[in-house]
Amino acid sequence: SQQGEEDPQALSIQEGENATMNCSYKTSINNLQWYRQNSGRGLVHLILIRSNEREKHSGRLRVTLDTSKKSSSLLITASRAADTASYFCATDHVHNAGNMLTFGGGTRLMVKP
Amino acid sequence: NAGVTQTPKFRVLKTGQSMTLLCAQDMNHEYMYWYRQDPGMGLRLIHYSVGEGTTAKGEVPDGYNVSRLKKQNFLLGLESAAPSQTSVYFCASSYVLGNQPQHFGDGTRLSIL
Repeated sequence: SQQGEEDPQALSIQEGENATMNCSYKTSINNLQWYRQNSGRGLVHLILIRSNEREKHSGRLRVTLDTSKKSSSLLITASRAADTASYFCATDHVHNAGNMLTFGGGTRLMVKP
Repeated sequence: NAGVTQTPKFRVLKTGQSMTLLCAQDMNHEYMYWYRQDPGMGLRLIHYSVGEGTTAKGEVPDGYNVSRLKKQNFLLGLESAAPSQTSVYFCASSYVLGNQPQHFGDGTRLSIL
């Protein structure tokens, strides 16, 4: 079963607007990560937030983490057409021999020029 | 610096055929992973390895085998391909220390007829 669930599944906005994606998860985590996937390509790591952190910034990205609600959000400010991609949250937790990432189903973001 | 390289990029198999997917990384990472990505399902972990000569089962290991004979290579085998194994397969790698992102290849698109 998937640990993380993204909401919404799809989002369409105009260039310049902000995009917010949410992620909920079920069990305790070491950290939560956000990845981006362009069509036909592999996933690219965007940002990692540790379980003891509440907010993190990287350029136009802002990630929040609420461990009491088991949820996270990714905000992309001043979106650009080049931000069009799928975005996935992934929770890092202990699994048998090592650490394991469990991915949500993703949010498909379309930014219209 | 190529990162994570997957071969082949595309493959079509008939039911019952076997094949091996190759993943190579040049970042001296200890951990390596194989995922499958199906529409609307996000990524699911098949098998992973925490070091040369070691492998462990992930979320959906049935029908697959793996080997990690060299630190830089992680092989995924399908002994008797089934249509349900039609998917996009991604390999990833990461450092052994906690709170590290994973680095992904561009995937292998596999169709089983």
